[in-house]
Amino acid sequence: EAGVTQFPSHSVIEKGQTVTLRCDPISGHDNLYWYRRVMGKEIKFLLHFVKESKQDESGMPNNRFLAERTGGTYSTLKVQPAELEDSGVYFCASSRGVRETQYFGPGTRLLVL
Amino acid sequence: GQSLEQPSEVTAVEGAIVQINCTYQTSGFYGLSWYQQHDGGAPTFLSYNALDGLEETGRFSSFLSRSDSYGYLLLQELQMKDSASYFCAVSGATNKLIFGTGTLLAVQP
Repeated sequence: EAGVTQFPSHSVIEKGQTVTLRCDPISGHDNLYWYRRVMGKEIKFLLHFVKESKQDESGMPNNRFLAERTGGTYSTLKVQPAELEDSGVYFCASSRGVRETQYFGPGTRLLVL
Repeated sequence: GQSLEQPSEVTAVEGAIVQINCTYQTSGFYGLSWYQQHDGGAPTFLSYNALDGLEETGRFSSFLSRSDSYGYLLLQELQMKDSASYFCAVSGATNKLIFGTGTLLAVQP
C-alpha cells in the first residue's frame, strides 16, 4: 500500500509569489490533515478534511492560505501571496477514520525569500 | 490553552534503555500518540495510548497516566538507527494532533 505522498518535496519562491502544495493521501482514507513546522517550533495543525468537507480549519493562519480537496481524493494547499514567515515544512497526513492513526507524508520544504 | 512538554535532548548508548517523558495540559483529552522523525522526514507513528497503562510494541513501549497528565516512551535495546527526534502528541475531540516540541535522541556507540 502506497503511503502519503506530497509534491513538490522542495519549493523556493520569492515573497509575494504563489505556491501550491499537493497531498495524495493513502487510498481509502477519508480524513486528510495539513500541518506545518516552522523553523525551531513544534508541528502545528492547519486543517482537517473529511472527504471533501473542511471539518476543522482552526489552525489556518490567515486568508492567504487556501486548502481544497475536490472530489475527496487529493488536496492542495495554496499560499497566495507568500510571506517570509510562511517558510517551513508542510506535512500532510491521512487516516481511515477520525479516531484512527494519522500517517504522515514526507513534507514539502517551503522557503520564501 | 494546550501545551506539551518534553525534554529537548537525550543521549544514551547502544543497548541501553531510555525513557522520554511528556507532560501535557489540554482540554478534551482523548489520547496520546508518539511519533519518530528522522532528519526532518515524515513523522512515523510509533504508539498510541487512550487508557492508563503500558502499551508494548517490540522494543518500544508507551505509558499513560491520565490523572497525572503524563506519559512516556520507553525504548529498549537501543540501536544506532534509533537516533531521531521523538514527538508526543495529544488528540482531543476534533482529532487534530497537538505536538510537543520534540526530543532529539542521540544514540552513541
